[in-house]
Amino acid sequence: GNSVTQMEGPVTLSEEAFLTINCTYTATGYPSLFWYVQYPGEGLQLLLKATKADDKGSNKGFEATYRKETTSFHLEKGSVQVSDSAVYFCALLSYTNAGKSTFGDGTTLTVKP
Amino acid sequence: EAGVVQSPRYKIIEKKQPVAFWCNPISGHNTLYWYLQNLGQGPELLIRYENEEAVDDSQLPKDRFSAERLKGVDSTLKIQPAELGDSAVYLCASSAGQQETQYFGPGTRLLVL
Repeated sequence: GNSVTQMEGPVTLSEEAFLTINCTYTATGYPSLFWYVQYPGEGLQLLLKATKADDKGSNKGFEATYRKETTSFHLEKGSVQVSDSAVYFCALLSYTNAGKSTFGDGTTLTVKP
Repeated sequence: EAGVVQSPRYKIIEKKQPVAFWCNPISGHNTLYWYLQNLGQGPELLIRYENEEAVDDSQLPKDRFSAERLKGVDSTLKIQPAELGDSAVYLCASSAGQQETQYFGPGTRLLVL
């Protein structure tokens, strides 16, 4: 079946540091890939997505590139802020599996001033 | 545009009691999802609706869980009787179609004592 593996957390960074959260996936066919962010006490919010190989999703300074050859979709940000502290989930949407989504277990990011 | 609405936000019940959660999806979204999110994990699909039809309920524990979406808009998820292990966050999401981006509500946090 499909699966998503995320870098284990927690991740703690100082403000303005560079962020990378690794995500790799296993899926049949050509899934769409997503990053969601979850703030305390809230639901998941879509951060960015990419629908085909070599696409780059970007939003609020975050970026991720769909790498089919390495089955990866790593999240990056050049300079994190305290307000970026949250849990980040990588997910895939499989078109060959009746539109079923698979989520990683999340990576907790804490940014200190 | 209003997002996905869920109620209640929090619920505390004793084991063996019934509980129900309500979800109002984004207007025009035909696809509705109920997810279970345990602490420190990603969401796991319980049931997916296309309009009023449940098209994927393979992960729904049917001995105690039930769901309905009678008019193809709002949905209710019920647990009867609740067990200690049901303590989790129950997330509702909706999308314009089964292969479209999902948008999540804030979730209902259930504690079973």
